[in-house]
Amino acid sequence: DAGVTQSPTHLIKTRGQQVTLRCSPKSGHDTVSWYQQALGQGPQFIFQYYEEEERQRGNFPDRFSGHQFPNYSSELNVNALLLGDSALYLCASSLLSPSAYEQYFGPGTRLTVT
Amino acid sequence: DAKTTQPPSMDCAEGRAANLPCNHSTISGNEYVYWYRQIHSQGPQYIIHGLKNNETNEMASLIITEDRKSSTLILPHATLRDTAVYYCIVRVSSGSARQLTFGSGTQLTVLP
Repeated sequence: DAGVTQSPTHLIKTRGQQVTLRCSPKSGHDTVSWYQQALGQGPQFIFQYYEEEERQRGNFPDRFSGHQFPNYSSELNVNALLLGDSALYLCASSLLSPSAYEQYFGPGTRLTVT
Repeated sequence: DAKTTQPPSMDCAEGRAANLPCNHSTISGNEYVYWYRQIHSQGPQYIIHGLKNNETNEMASLIITEDRKSSTLILPHATLRDTAVYYCIVRVSSGSARQLTFGSGTQLTVLP
């Protein structure tokens, strides 16, 4: 089992551009969450997808959007990039079940906005 | 979710027990205590969670005080590979799908 995978590993973009990050969840998982981690801080929740619908959303602007595909993989899109969007973007997968207690995180995508 | 307070950093000698404290004085009766850790350049990793009883697994032990206002994560025999940022998180529900609210965590450095 490959666990949670993310691509690309690193990315450099210019202010104003758009970016798409990708995530494949752990085998058997149906829920994908995205987090943003600025340097020296803990991860901050962006949103979560289940059954191709956004289920929860954190305090992030509409420039951040996502999608989940029928195979449960997910994309995070960020429009009109700002310097402050530079961060490590983490994807986590889990099961939407009260008995499931663990979120599995991928290694992240490091986004640098210049 | 209740707020947590952790020391910003701690050191521990290799082979000794590492005891990481967490204060959650505003915790509600239906909130669980979770611990995750993040090794440099990796995603966070689940360690353990509990409601009110002490818990132990292959990675660590979790001791929750009787009033539930604080807890301690214990790594019984710390190794260099345990050097990481440790996050204490309090949230409603043991279900995995609810969002995690991370604080700043404790940077644990295991010294040779």
